[in-house]
Amino acid sequence: NAGVTQTPKFQVLKTGQSMTLQCAQDMNHNSMYWYRQDPGMGLRLIYYSASEGTTDKGEVPNGYNVSRLNKREFSLRLESAAPSQTSVYFCASSEQGIFKYGELFFGEGSRLTVL
Amino acid sequence: DQQVKQNSPSLSVQEGRISILNCDYTNSMFDYFLWYKKYPAEGPTFLISISSIKDKNEDGRFTVFLNKSAKHLSLHIVPSQPGDSAVYFCAASAGNTDKLIFGTGTRLQVFP
Repeated sequence: NAGVTQTPKFQVLKTGQSMTLQCAQDMNHNSMYWYRQDPGMGLRLIYYSASEGTTDKGEVPNGYNVSRLNKREFSLRLESAAPSQTSVYFCASSEQGIFKYGELFFGEGSRLTVL
Repeated sequence: DQQVKQNSPSLSVQEGRISILNCDYTNSMFDYFLWYKKYPAEGPTFLISISSIKDKNEDGRFTVFLNKSAKHLSLHIVPSQPGDSAVYFCAASAGNTDKLIFGTGTRLQVFP
């Protein structure tokens, strides 16, 4: 059972380039999330999707777009990468969602460097 | 504006002793709290949770205490083991949203 799978694991971009981080879960979960982790900042929520077809902004949405392609997949797009977006990105999913006292299951992370 | 704060960046504890990790929050609407553990190069993994209707929840060596009036929660690990060495994050949410807000983390080191 793969759980939450993120691709790519590592990526180096130049300023201004675009890229998409892919996330897929095989647990039939309803809610999906994107976080970034930076030193001294903890995990910060970028966007989340409470159910297929819906997306909402988190704490730090600027510079990102998301797509909930179907129930399994939730992608994060950087249209014009900036050095401030250098970070480790985590995708997570939840069966019933946090508002129903669920828990998040995280992927292994994607390390992005923007030069 | 950091709504969930972990003011101790690191903690060092001897094996077998108690580890106490603290977390403070500012949003009085938070009613559900979770603790996650993270090893290097891995995603966070869920440890334990507590809803605001309780003040304590136990799971084996892990106990979470919630003090709503002080807007404070703590995670107790007894006894601490070297395998507990990791970064611990507390997280909180308000009942009407799927948004989960994390703190900055505390790095726990358990030494022999």
